Amino acid sequence: EVQLIQSAPQVKKPGESLKISCRGSGYTFATYSIGWVRQMAGKGLEWMGIIYIGDSDTRYSPSFQGQVTMSIDKSTRTAYLQWSSLKASDTAMYYCARLWPHCSNAMCYFDFWGRGTLVTVSS
Amino acid sequence: EIVLTQSPGTLSLAPGERATLSCRASQIIASSNLAWYQQKAGQSPRLLIYGASSRATGIPDRFSGSGSGADFTLTISRLEPEDFAVYYCQHYVTSPITFGQGTRLEIK
Repeated sequence: EVQLIQSAPQVKKPGESLKISCRGSGYTFATYSIGWVRQMAGKGLEWMGIIYIGDSDTRYSPSFQGQVTMSIDKSTRTAYLQWSSLKASDTAMYYCARLWPHCSNAMCYFDFWGRGTLVTVSS
Repeated sequence: EIVLTQSPGTLSLAPGERATLSCRASQIIASSNLAWYQQKAGQSPRLLIYGASSRATGIPDRFSGSGSGADFTLTISRLEPEDFAVYYCQHYVTSPITFGQGTRLEIK
């Protein structure tokens, strides 16, 4: 069974750092890149970026470039999303999702999603 | 950046009725690189349609996608109680990927 297991909810203060994770199981991890999507409470889906499984190259949405860092550890089958200095406006649900690998360009759809990690930033 | 505009914002229908959801792009979506997702309350999104008209694995055939160019439609032929949710379209032509703002399908 395909699973993307995301880390537990986090409560942080503004200015703190955070790294959340997404571990893949039940499929060939080395085949699928991972995307991250933000969903603020009661709002829609916002694409944050993709980390490519082959060379760990990253492509960020302009809205999130410089605000977050994506990384991946193929040995532990885990992708990460991190912040160096959180803001209250980072409060949201963060989903990782598996990028279908057979599109003709570097972008594609997401065929499987994790359950999300809720991040709350409050003083 | 390609902007996707979904309409209507909210659609109120009864079980058994037909639902038609629209997704309009600000420019042509090459190669029909458009997907649809369903998100139920408290759950993560689920892929329904890719390539504008291909159903994802396990998706019932009451869901169908159509369209090309800049206008796309998701149709649910006969609504089941479990279909009431929020639906999003997404393009994957180029970076940045964008999603529509969503259509909420609610029980009338």
